[in-house]
Amino acid sequence: QLQLQESGPGLVKPSETLSLTCTVSGGSISSSSYYWGWIRQPPGKGLEWIGSIYYSGSTNYRPSLESRVSISVDTSKNQFSVKLSSVSAADTAVYYCARALRLGRYCTNGVCSDRGPWFDPWGQGTLVTVSS
Amino acid sequence: QSALTQPASVSGSPGQSITISCTGTSSDVGGYNYVSWYQQHPGKAPKLMIYDVSDRPSGVSNRFSGSKSGNTASLTISGLQAEDEADYYCSSYTSISTQVFGTGTKVTVL
Repeated sequence: QLQLQESGPGLVKPSETLSLTCTVSGGSISSSSYYWGWIRQPPGKGLEWIGSIYYSGSTNYRPSLESRVSISVDTSKNQFSVKLSSVSAADTAVYYCARALRLGRYCTNGVCSDRGPWFDPWGQGTLVTVSS
Repeated sequence: QSALTQPASVSGSPGQSITISCTGTSSDVGGYNYVSWYQQHPGKAPKLMIYDVSDRPSGVSNRFSGSKSGNTASLTISGLQAEDEADYYCSSYTSISTQVFGTGTKVTVL
């Protein structure tokens, strides 16, 4: 059973860089059918997609965060990470990592269909507070 | 990249059916059959309930169903149960290869 676990500092000072790592267990991060994403949720608010990475290193980012965010992958450790620079109080949130199916055509028992990105499973989430 | 629009709250009595809408644009919900729905209980991580508009993952009750018409996707919960009380979020793939989530809906079982 695939499991994901976020780790990293729970407190970051304003203007500094937030860094989190997601460790994948029970499966390989190098699977060609999946990519790996970061999603955050400010306290009392909704979910916000941050970005995703494929095992090859190909990335996609939320346009409003693109200038501050970087996602990387370490296949040797079965981990992927996110860095968010110049943080402010608005970046305080629970940060989740999750696996996403790669958009494409998949065939099962001779029946093929186009399938799109959906996130499953998710890590338990880790709260990061930005405060001095 | 604006969030998809969902009603802030929906309520129903046990046994009833409720429907949550998720409205986007032709660049996301309307342009692709890649809408997914997530259930989130307080303090817990989201759980996938529906993917590709109307498919259910193994283990998810068949009381949950999804559909789409134009730029609006919908999640229907039939035979409402106390355990269904949670927040629900839709998500869609977009034309710029990103993902966008909905604003979230709080479901209350009366």
